[in-house]
Order: sequence, then structure tokens, then C-alpha cells
Amino acid sequence: LAKTTQPISMDSYEGQEVNITCSHNNIATNDYITWYQQFPSQGPRFIIQGYKTKVTNEVASLFIPADRKSSTLSLPRVSLSDTAVYYCLVGDNQGGKLIFGQGTELSVKP
Amino acid sequence: EAEVAQSPRYKITEKSQAVAFWCDPISGHATLYWYRQILGQGPELLVQFQDESVVDDSQLPKDRFSAERLKGVDSTLKIQPAELGDSAMYLCASSLDGERYEQYFGPGTRLTVT
Repeated sequence: LAKTTQPISMDSYEGQEVNITCSHNNIATNDYITWYQQFPSQGPRFIIQGYKTKVTNEVASLFIPADRKSSTLSLPRVSLSDTAVYYCLVGDNQGGKLIFGQGTELSVKP
Repeated sequence: EAEVAQSPRYKITEKSQAVAFWCDPISGHATLYWYRQILGQGPELLVQFQDESVVDDSQLPKDRFSAERLKGVDSTLKIQPAELGDSAMYLCASSLDGERYEQYFGPGTRLTVT
């Protein structure tokens, strides 16, 4: 199972774009990249998933370079309510378990 | 929007007592997961069900933890006896069959063992 590395914490201000990069050097051919968001005292929430290039939804964008050894979650114009822990996970839908790392704690300030 | 239900939301128990958590997944979700999350860490999978069958319980401390999903719908996680180190958030999640990486989590049960 591919291991992921992401920053422990990040700070930002309201209205800024935030980019959280995740490293996954050992990603396998069948692996997808998935990001979750977790607010304090709540369960994680699925944000976005991608395989290559760029994926965009109403919440975020996910950029994946051609070698797929890293990915970047982009949150446009963050607000205070985006303060949360963001987890990057890598794997396929066929086997193994979903492994959460320590995540990136994003703090958005006014 | 359908949600995963969990109860209770908070539980305080004394060590050596028994405690149980309940989870009702989103209707139609065949796969159900129980996670434990210690403060400051990511969730750790304890057990995974496919319908009523356990498919992964490798991280479940089987000497004190048990889980069941008798009819393939709702599920119960039990701890007996509880230990101080069991204090954590217990999260239940569910997903459609084949969509292991898009899981829907419940609000969790915060367990405090005194």
C-alpha cells in the first residue's frame, strides 16, 4: 500500500487559495488518490478523488502530475469554515484497507 | 441527504465495564467500517464488513472487542472490559460495494474511560 507524506500543518487567511501537496512516491498503477476533510468532533468527509491530470468539483480541485508521485489539493478562496484536517489517501478499490495518515491541519485566520 | 447514524454520541464508562456502540449505515451500502481515532491521529480501521461477513478485522483487539452485523444492515461494536487506553472517538462509515475509497462517515461516539 502506497505511503503518503503531507505537511503536518498550514496556515492561511480568508480569501486566499490554499494548496496542500501530498507525496506518494510508491503509487501503483491501479491506485487512485483520495482526499478527506475532517472538522473537530466529526467524522471525515470525502472531498475529491482522481487518477491523473486534474479533477474539479464544487469544493476543490485536485492536480496530479504525469508521474503521479504527488498530488495537490487546491481550495479556492478559503473561509474560516475551511479550518479542518485534510487527509490524503492512495489505493485502489479492490483490496487492502483505507489508511489515514496524520493529515494536514489547516488553520484559516481572519 | 442520507447519513450514517451512530449512537450514543458520547459515552463515559469506568474501566472494566462493558460498552456498546451502534451504527446504522446509509441504506443500500453493503460495506460497513468501524474505525477508532485517537486525538491527534488519523482514523484506524478496526473492522470491515461486507454485508454480514467480516472481511478485515486484523486490527481489532479480539480479546476485548467484538463486532457484529447480523442482518447485513446495522452494526454493533462492543468493548468488554473497557480499559483506559480505549478512550477515543469510534467512527462508523459505509460505502457502496466497490467504492471503498468513497466512504461516508457518521458523527462518531466519543468514549471516555475513567
